[in-house]
Amino acid sequence: QVQLVQSGAEVKKPGSSVKVSCKASGDTFKNYDISWVRQAPGQGLEWMAEIIPIFGTPKYAQKFQGRVTVTRDESTSTSYMELSGLTFEDTAMYYCARRRSSAPRFAFDVWGQGTMVTVSS
Amino acid sequence: AIPMTQSPSSFFASTGDRVTITCRASQDISTYLAWYQQKPGEAPKLLIYAASILQSGVPSRFSGSGSGTDFTLTITFLQSEDFATYYCQQYYSYPRMFGQGTKVEVK
Repeated sequence: QVQLVQSGAEVKKPGSSVKVSCKASGDTFKNYDISWVRQAPGQGLEWMAEIIPIFGTPKYAQKFQGRVTVTRDESTSTSYMELSGLTFEDTAMYYCARRRSSAPRFAFDVWGQGTMVTVSS
Repeated sequence: AIPMTQSPSSFFASTGDRVTITCRASQDISTYLAWYQQKPGEAPKLLIYAASILQSGVPSRFSGSGSGTDFTLTITFLQSEDFATYYCQQYYSYPRMFGQGTKVEVK
């Protein structure tokens, strides 16, 4: 069964960093781009970043440029998203999602279950 | 960036209704447009990709159309499990922006 499994919920202090993992199983990880999307409570979906396979340079939304770092480890089929300089406005559910790299028309067909990040003093 | 504008933001409907949600891109995105369904407490689920192609396993009452800047998601004969929030997303370029969402509520 194809799935993306994310790490567990986090509670962080303002100004700190959080690192969320997304582990793929059931398919060939290197065939997929991985995007990160967040959703603040009661709000819509917000695309943050994407990383393509092997030696791809991550792409970041301008809003998060300088604060977010996305990486991937092909040996463990895992992607990571690290967000620094946390503020209360970063409290949100963070999702990873995959998209087939070699098929531009394909969209994000498998999503992780989400990781809740709460920023609290 | 290519902002995406959905309309309406929410509306009330009854089971059996035919419902239509629209999504407009600020510039031409060809057919690089997806529709997702999200229910409370769940991750988004892909319904339609490439503007009109039904994702495997999605009921045929869902359909998508459009190209360029104007797109439509249609649900014929609305079922109880279809009450949810729907998002469009362009993946023509970075950033891969979403529409603000359309919540379909029970009348």
